[in-house]
Amino acid sequence: GAVVSQHPSWVICKSGTSVKIECRSLDFQATTMFWYRQFPKQSLMLMATSNEGSKATYEQGVEKDKFLINHASLTLSTLTVTSAHPEDSSFYICSATGYDEQFFGPGTRLTVL
Amino acid sequence: DAKTTQPPSMDCAEGRAANLPCNHSTISGNEYVYWYRQIHSQGPQYIIHGLKNNETNEMASLIITEDRKSSTLILPHATLRDTAVYYCIVRVARGDDKIIFGKGTRLHILP
Repeated sequence: GAVVSQHPSWVICKSGTSVKIECRSLDFQATTMFWYRQFPKQSLMLMATSNEGSKATYEQGVEKDKFLINHASLTLSTLTVTSAHPEDSSFYICSATGYDEQFFGPGTRLTVL
Repeated sequence: DAKTTQPPSMDCAEGRAANLPCNHSTISGNEYVYWYRQIHSQGPQYIIHGLKNNETNEMASLIITEDRKSSTLILPHATLRDTAVYYCIVRVARGDDKIIFGKGTRLHILP
């Protein structure tokens, strides 16, 4: 089956630093990837749509300069949380489209101290 | 906004069938009913989807009413590992169409 990986699975960083999260489609090519954020006991919230070779499309209320998305290849999209603050602590999940379906990664837990 | 309504939580005894309802009264003709689940601290997992006919796979069965305004996900023999949040989503069957998650149903399987 189609597998999506994320790296790292968890990360702790200091306030003010930047953190990069990778999302990879391991056995298929994904022209479109999505990034979600999930706070404790809440549902997944779509942050942005990432298309290979073009700029990401951000959902309303998501700061594009804070959450930088790069989809440089058909198997890799990255999310960089710039100048992270404690309120950015969350569970970040990506999904990738393949075989006309979406497959989700295992998630990355970010903790900002 | 999510186009579905689900109960916030349900309990089910281990070994019994878990029946999770979902209302989607505004579903369009080209939209499918999808079910995903999310086990704690993991990414969502696809379970099943259907258009208007009932569907069954190795994980679950999906029963869609004739008017397509509601559906029920059935886990035939629930185990403790089925404890998760279950999301019912209506969407077109296109991989590049974004998925909007509602609040889902938190299913507790009781030993």
